[in-house]
Amino acid sequence: DVKVTQSSRYLVKRTGEKVFLECVQDMDHENMFWYRQDPGLGLRLIYFSYDVKMKEKGDIPEGYSVSREKKERFSLILESASTNQTSMYLCASSSPTSLTDTQYFGPGTRLTVL
Amino acid sequence: SQKIEQNSEALNIQEGKTATLTCNYTNYSPAYLQWYRQDPGRGPVFLLLIRENEKEKRKERLKVTFDTTLKQSLFHITASQPADSATYLCALGPGGGNKLTFGTGTQLKVEL
Repeated sequence: DVKVTQSSRYLVKRTGEKVFLECVQDMDHENMFWYRQDPGLGLRLIYFSYDVKMKEKGDIPEGYSVSREKKERFSLILESASTNQTSMYLCASSSPTSLTDTQYFGPGTRLTVL
Repeated sequence: SQKIEQNSEALNIQEGKTATLTCNYTNYSPAYLQWYRQDPGRGPVFLLLIRENEKEKRKERLKVTFDTTLKQSLFHITASQPADSATYLCALGPGGGNKLTFGTGTQLKVEL
């Protein structure tokens, strides 16, 4: 069974802290994505990566950075957390050779910044 | 800019009836459209894909239609059950790097 795991289900941080969210997939997928999901705004793409050490900005990259040192792991970094980054963060992966471009999602991390 | 609209109001229907959810888009010419299901506190799960040259796709109790002239997809669940209660998201693609653009989702509640 395919699996995408995220390091935490719930996280509470203080304003100004550096926050690391980790995502690991076991499907040998080249593509990995980070989204945030907010009520009324849906899923918005923060960053994505189509290969190790490669990254591309999504629609809302400001205040975030990413790291992909290994194929199975994609990390999202909040350099200095702010209250407007309180959200549900979802990681996903996909294969570029898939016939359906299906994205497989992790369970999400609900981040609260106080 | 690209825009995807799904009904933001929850859809409440009775068990056994057919649920119909709508996905409209503008400023986009997608090669395909996907539907995902999302349960509370969980990530979305892929259900169906329909391509631009397909009018209809079925999978068990699910049916999806795609009208590229109207720029609209309809998602039907026949003989709905309480277990079908969830939020359903449509997504259009592909973007560069196999990106998808998601709608905001519609919450479906199936009542006994």
